[in-house]
Amino acid sequence: ETGVTQTPRHLVMGMTNKKSLKCEQHLGHNAMYWYKQSAKKPLELMFVYSLEERVENNSVPSRFSPECPNSSHLFLHLHTLQPEDSALYLCASSRGTDTDTQYFGPGTRLTVL
Amino acid sequence: LAKTTQPISMDSYEGQEVNITCSHNNIATNDYITWYQQFPSQGPRFIIQGYKTKVTNEVASLFIPADRKSSTLSLPRVSLSDTAVYYCLVGARGGGFKTIFGAGTRLFVKA
Repeated sequence: ETGVTQTPRHLVMGMTNKKSLKCEQHLGHNAMYWYKQSAKKPLELMFVYSLEERVENNSVPSRFSPECPNSSHLFLHLHTLQPEDSALYLCASSRGTDTDTQYFGPGTRLTVL
Repeated sequence: LAKTTQPISMDSYEGQEVNITCSHNNIATNDYITWYQQFPSQGPRFIIQGYKTKVTNEVASLFIPADRKSSTLSLPRVSLSDTAVYYCLVGARGGGFKTIFGAGTRLFVKA
């Protein structure tokens, strides 16, 4: 247990569906991250939030929409995804964005049909 | 951003010491070296971090030569449960959002 939880753990959705991934951290951290990990590929940083403000958006398609309502919660809203978006989506948190170790959640395994 | 190079995969047997070396020729003066471990279908987990010389914790040791252009993660007496991907990262102290995860080294421990 890292103190970062993600729900759901598994998700199957069609290309026309709308779904959301949820991340919650119980560590009192100020920064939260979304990563994508496709099969046999390195982790790709998608979004970074610091104190609820988005500080990084790594050229992610608009069909992925993040939301950070407070420093403990992070959402990734999904709509009209493509099969190539199937991947493990990982959430992480850290005390700050530059100085501290990232703690990762278990991930959500997403399959887009 | 400092780029890292690691072996793609390594095999070992239970009880052996495993050393994984990472090259980072362009490391900056204020960069730290951090190693993470990732099991299948799980998020990466912090193992160890260092700036120079040697760092040891209950899980591993990290050896960093004086020029800091490489580092070696040492896992003593590995077990089957150490089978995982190990990532070497160079950058802001904790990783931060400017740090990039590379392909990592896939370690397979055999009985």
